[in-house]
Order: sequence, then structure tokens, then C-alpha cells
Amino acid sequence: GENVEQHPSTLSVQEGDSAVIKCTYSDSASNYFPWYKQELGKRPQLIIDIRSNVGEKKDQRIAVTLNKTAKHFSLHITETQPEDSAVYFCAAWNNNDMRFGAGTRLTVKP
Amino acid sequence: EAGVTQFPSHSVIEKGQTVTLRCDPISGHDNLYWYRRVMGKEIKFLLHFVKESKQDESGMPNNRFLAERTGGTYSTLKVQPAELEDSGVYFCASSRLGFQETQYFGPGTRLLVL
Repeated sequence: GENVEQHPSTLSVQEGDSAVIKCTYSDSASNYFPWYKQELGKRPQLIIDIRSNVGEKKDQRIAVTLNKTAKHFSLHITETQPEDSAVYFCAAWNNNDMRFGAGTRLTVKP
Repeated sequence: EAGVTQFPSHSVIEKGQTVTLRCDPISGHDNLYWYRRVMGKEIKFLLHFVKESKQDESGMPNNRFLAERTGGTYSTLKVQPAELEDSGVYFCASSRLGFQETQYFGPGTRLLVL
């Protein structure tokens, strides 16, 4: 089955800096990769996703890149703000099964 | 549009007791998913309903867990008997189409088994 690894587990950046979170997956058949943001005590919310026929997708300060050959995808947040502080989860979908990464706790220091 | 709701928000029970969690998906969403996050670890998929049918329950940990979705509307997840390792946050999500469409998560039920 699919195995998703996420790094780093914690990330601390200064406000205004960029943050990058990386995930790798094992099954080359996976074809949908969403990213979720979970603020403390709240529900996971989809912030961006990418499908396997696209290499990059951007939405304002958030971008995701996908390298199918290397089987990894990354979340990029530019101009970070304190409200970006949360736990971020990557996920990979394959054959009716969604596997999540272990999460990255991002702290943006003002 | 009302979001996904879950009840209860918190539940504290003793080992061996039974707990039933409920999820009400967004109206019109045929797809309903259950996930679990145990003590700060990754979110794990439990099962997927399409309307009232179980599409995939490969993530259910064992036969102490029973999920139903009568009439294809709300869903329940029963844990009987509960064990200590069942403690965690149980999330429900729904989507109009399948996995590859945006899933909207509920607020979760925080279960603590003592």
C-alpha cells in the first residue's frame, strides 16, 4: 500500500520568511495530493491540492510542486504570517485510499 | 450551506464501555469518510461510504468498530468495547463526488478512554 512520509515534523520561521514542507510517497499510481491545515483544536481544512497531470499549482502565497519521477511533492508558503501557524498534513490518494503524512507543526514568529 | 457536523464534540468513557459517534455530512454529499488521529500522530483513514454502501473499510482497525450509514444520510461509528488505544480525535468528512474532490471535514469528536 501507499506510504507517505512528511518532513520536517516541526518548522519555525520568522514572519515574512518562506516555509517549505516536503512529502514523499511510495506508490507511483497515486494521482491526487491534497494539503490540509489544522489550527489548534479545529478541523483540517484543505488549502491546496494538485493532481498528477500537473507539476505546479499556486494560490496567492501558497504553492505546491509535484515531481512524479521522484515521487515527492512540496508545499511552499511565502511571506509567512503568524496566522499561518498550524499543523500541515500532506496526503496521497490512490485507489480509494487516502494516506496522510504525520504532519508538520509550523510556527511563524512575529 | 451548513458544514459537516459531528456529535458529541467530546466523550470520556471507561475501558470496556460503548461509544457511538455521529456524523452529519453536507446535504447532497454522497461520499462520507471517517478518519482518526491518535495522540498527535498522522490522520488515518478508516472507511468510506458512498451513499449507504461501504466503499472501502480497509482502514478499520478491528471488529470492535462498526460504522453505518442508514439511508445514506448521517453516519454512526460505534466502538464496542472501547480500549485505551482507541483514544484520539475522530474526524468525519464528506464530498459530493469521490476522493479526488474537496473533502470537507467536521470538527471532530475527541474520545478519551480511561
